[in-house]
Amino acid sequence: GAVVSQHPSRVICKSGTSVKIECRSLDFQATTMFWYRQFPKQSLMLMATSNEGSKATYEQGVEKDKFLINHASLTLSTLTVTSAHPEDSSFYICSAPDRAEETQYFGPGTRLLVL
Amino acid sequence: GENVEQHPSTLSVQEGDSAVIKCTYSDSASNYFPWYKQELGKRPQLIIDIRSNVGEKKDQRIAVTLNKTAKHFSLHITETQPEDSAVYFCAAGGSAGGFKTIFGAGTRLFVKA
Repeated sequence: GAVVSQHPSRVICKSGTSVKIECRSLDFQATTMFWYRQFPKQSLMLMATSNEGSKATYEQGVEKDKFLINHASLTLSTLTVTSAHPEDSSFYICSAPDRAEETQYFGPGTRLLVL
Repeated sequence: GENVEQHPSTLSVQEGDSAVIKCTYSDSASNYFPWYKQELGKRPQLIIDIRSNVGEKKDQRIAVTLNKTAKHFSLHITETQPEDSAVYFCAAGGSAGGFKTIFGAGTRLFVKA
């Protein structure tokens, strides 16, 4: 099956700093990618839809100025957590649909810890 | 938008017994229903999926059923083993919704040896 990578896998940062997470589709092109957040013992909550060449679409309750999304190419989407705070500590997972297979592929996730 | 409900939140079974997890969805346009298994600290792993043009799909000990009219779909695991212990998520989405996938709340399955 197709492969989606994420980088970094784990990051620890100080409160107030910004963190960038990359999501790449390695062997297929993805005009759309999705960003999810998962808090401990909870489900994956969709944060936003990343659209190649246009603005991201954010789910209700997700601050677009805090979670900046850029989808500059057909294989790369980035999520930047700006001015991170301890409550932003979570597991961030991206996914990309392979439209030819009509299947979603998930990245391995990025564990963010904000001190 | 799509809303997916999943039950039960926790399920404990004896090794060898069957486990059933049920989900409902709200958006009749959804046409793809995957099930994921997530072990602690890892990404969700797709274990089986079903599309809206079929009512049932089976893969060894795992089967999924779909009732489009009632907007219900279920995961059935037979002859459970301790290694089946994990959190299972149902989800709904598909091409009709731009491949946006919405997850259920998850079911923590414990298989007791």
